Amino acid sequence: DIQMTQSPSSLPASLGDRVTITCRASQDIGNYLRWFQQKPGKSPRLMIYGATNLAAGVPSRFSGSRSGSDYSLTISSLESEDMADYYCLQSKESPWTFGGGTKLELK
Amino acid sequence: EIQLQESGPGLVKPSQSLSLTCSVTGYTITSGYDWSWIRKFPGNKMEWMGYISYSGSTNYNPSLKSRISITRDTSKNQFFLQLNSVTTEDTATYYCAGRWFAYWGQGTLVTVSS
Repeated sequence: DIQMTQSPSSLPASLGDRVTITCRASQDIGNYLRWFQQKPGKSPRLMIYGATNLAAGVPSRFSGSRSGSDYSLTISSLESEDMADYYCLQSKESPWTFGGGTKLELK
Repeated sequence: EIQLQESGPGLVKPSQSLSLTCSVTGYTITSGYDWSWIRKFPGNKMEWMGYISYSGSTNYNPSLKSRISITRDTSKNQFFLQLNSVTTEDTATYYCAGRWFAYWGQGTLVTVSS
């Protein structure tokens, strides 16, 4: 199975900060990478697909990028509504696999 | 707008089968896309369990071996999850999702306990 190593597991940050979450793939996954946001008691929300494409309705402060086998989700200026858990998912090769998650919280 | 909703028992006894339904509105599941089941464990780990495609083919996570079955009822626009021989380690919140994970159900907590 392709392993998705996500870091950090916890990210304390302040409002207005630029924050980055990273997933490293154990094998080539091309751009078959999605990012999800999940708030307590809610279902996951698709934020980024194809590694770099913003999903419908997602604020432009979110962006996705790729450098080799490292995939990043960046929030350019953190807002209070962004406090949530974030997960990556690869769908290049079955079984599709998630990263371990990052808890974004206020410092 | 596409909406998905899970339903099923919230409590299952060990060694029994877990059965969940995902009802889809706003899109016909035979028109396109894969329709997945995903679960989130109490420690927050997420696992993709498998999908049924618009054509009816299935793809399962090998970690679930022969315990899993995903089927559908096209007349009701629903798809189903059956997980056999459950243990306490199958306690999780179960989600259905579709259209390349753009749409999710609200999730349903299933507890495996005697």
